[in-house]
Amino acid sequence: AQKITQTQPGMFVQEKEAVTLDCTYDTSDPSYGLFWYKQPSSGEMIFLIYQGSYDQQNATEGRYSLNFQKARKSANLVISASQLGDSAMYFCAMAVGGTSYGKLTFGQGTILTVHP
Amino acid sequence: DSGVTQTPKHLITATGQRVTLRCSPRSGDLSVYWYQQSLDQGLQFLIQYYNGEERAKGNILERFSAQQFPDLHSELNLSSLELGDSALYFCASRAPGTSFDEQFFGPGTRLTVL
Repeated sequence: AQKITQTQPGMFVQEKEAVTLDCTYDTSDPSYGLFWYKQPSSGEMIFLIYQGSYDQQNATEGRYSLNFQKARKSANLVISASQLGDSAMYFCAMAVGGTSYGKLTFGQGTILTVHP
Repeated sequence: DSGVTQTPKHLITATGQRVTLRCSPRSGDLSVYWYQQSLDQGLQFLIQYYNGEERAKGNILERFSAQQFPDLHSELNLSSLELGDSALYFCASRAPGTSFDEQFFGPGTRLTVL
């Protein structure tokens, strides 16, 4: 079975500073994908970034980067130059291959609040 | 806009009733996933369809059922509703390819059972 753990229920950051949201995962499957989604108060799920288990480089998408440490089974999201609009719930998720057919397993989420 | 549509946006009903949630995937996507987001269970996978066939099942109650039609839209049927079924129900679609492609989420249907 797959498991995603997000240990930070809430995080606070000052506008324009960087913040790291933690995510650890557990799977015995050697082939998997890790995702981060943002859920603002309006409720929609917005895809941010993806990292494959065989990717050699850490993924980056604009102000988002994923700090992938395979041996530690961690996939932390780094948001640089935080903006007020980054205030939202953030979910880490994992998909594995085989008969799981890409279903996502989510962590409990981290609420990020950006202060002006 | 993800390209995935869900209707209705909000649904308020009573215990014991039956409702149908509808999802249209992005054009060309064959896979549809249903997820439930509730305060006590978090976000959890319910069921997946691929080109009309059920592919994977998660923590879906027997009172719930789903199907995917030839035009690839999907419906999630919830019956004998209980207070605990109140949740945000998401549909997501994924392009054909590996299991690890991004899933595009619809805006969700917020179900309130009174």
